Amino acid sequence: EVQLQQSGAELVKPGASVKLSCKTSGYTFSNYYMSWLKQMPGQNIEWIGNIYGGNGGTGYNQKFKGKATLTVDKSSSTAYMDLSSLTSEDSAVYFCARMVPTLYVMDAWGQGASVTVSS
Amino acid sequence: DIQMTQSPSSMSASLGDTVTINCLASQDIGNYLSWYQQKPGKSPKLMIYGATNLEDGVPSRFSGSRSGSDYSLTINSLGYDDEGIYHCHQYYEYPLTFGSGTKLEIK
Repeated sequence: EVQLQQSGAELVKPGASVKLSCKTSGYTFSNYYMSWLKQMPGQNIEWIGNIYGGNGGTGYNQKFKGKATLTVDKSSSTAYMDLSSLTSEDSAVYFCARMVPTLYVMDAWGQGASVTVSS
Repeated sequence: DIQMTQSPSSMSASLGDTVTINCLASQDIGNYLSWYQQKPGKSPKLMIYGATNLEDGVPSRFSGSRSGSDYSLTINSLGYDDEGIYHCHQYYEYPLTFGSGTKLEIK
């Protein structure tokens, strides 16, 4: 069974950074992309970027360049997303989602991680 | 960026009804369109991909169609478990984009 297990909720201060994790199991990590997405209440889901598990190659939504940095650890089949210089606009639920290489469909998602930016 | 205009924003229907949710792409996306169902506090679940292909394990009551740049999700024989928010999503071009969601309530 494919599983994506995300790290827990975070409460962080403005200006700080946070690193979210997405630990996977049940499939060959290096054969798939991992996307990261942002969901704020009442707003469209936003795609932040993706990273290839095999070589760590990345692609970002221009809107999130400089805000998000994606990395992987193949040895533990885990994807990470660093969010920097946090403001209240970064308060949201963040999802990781596996992307099928040839279809580019996101077919399995983590449970989501809530990030709250507050002093 | 490709805009996905989804309608209606919310709807209410009765058990056993048939409902249709629509999504209009701002430019050609071919069949690179998927539909997700999301329940409160949960992550989106893939229902349809390639505009018309049913994801494994999804009931055949769900179907997707396309007419030009108009895409539709139809749900037959509505059940209580179909309540949730439905999102359309284009993966034709980066950045990937989503519609604004349709909240479906079962009366």
